[in-house]
Amino acid sequence: DGGITQSPKYLFRKEGQNVTLSCEQNLNHDAMYWYRQDPGQGLRLIYYSQIVNDFQKGDIAEGYSVSREKKESFPLTVTSAQKNPTAFYLCASRKGEGQPQHFGDGTRLSIL
Amino acid sequence: EDKVVQSPLSLVVHEGDTVTLNCSYEVTNFRSLLWYKQEKKAPTFLFMLTSSGIEKKSGRLSSILDKKELSSILNITATQTGDSAIYLCAVEAWPPGTYKYIFGTGTRLKVLA
Repeated sequence: DGGITQSPKYLFRKEGQNVTLSCEQNLNHDAMYWYRQDPGQGLRLIYYSQIVNDFQKGDIAEGYSVSREKKESFPLTVTSAQKNPTAFYLCASRKGEGQPQHFGDGTRLSIL
Repeated sequence: EDKVVQSPLSLVVHEGDTVTLNCSYEVTNFRSLLWYKQEKKAPTFLFMLTSSGIEKKSGRLSSILDKKELSSILNITATQTGDSAIYLCAVEAWPPGTYKYIFGTGTRLKVLA
């Protein structure tokens, strides 16, 4: 079945540690996105990529980094510079303009 | 600044009731408005509304876009406990190619048996 797979489902980060969240899709979608969801707030865009080897900052990119070396994969690294990383992280993809974004099941990141 | 506002923030109803959720937006160069349902994990796509498709219906759910009032409603008739979720509204605006959505904070719906 085609879909978007995020892993792990739960992740704990220690002080000063970088952690990487995985997002893989087998939908042959061109564009991929990372969002952060906090209680009482809407989804906020961290980074997005429209094609391989290209990505753009979203509204809250500070403290995060991404790569897009393959069409299927768009990993997100939460660096130690992100001082408040506790949140629910959602990855999404879509085929192109005029098509809706589809989401993975998310990764919940907490601080140890 | 572009923004999307949803109301109410939360809603509790009984099975069989009809509910109306609201989404208003202020964006530069509107392109489309989308509704998603989020239970515990992934938001799942419900509807996309554009200038060429301002009404959508699927079973007990329906949605209308009012471009004059810059708003949309999501109606759910004969609600069931399985409708309990957060309903998210998102707006995509030009310029084209940016592929960015602006999300509202969502409406949390709880349907009691």
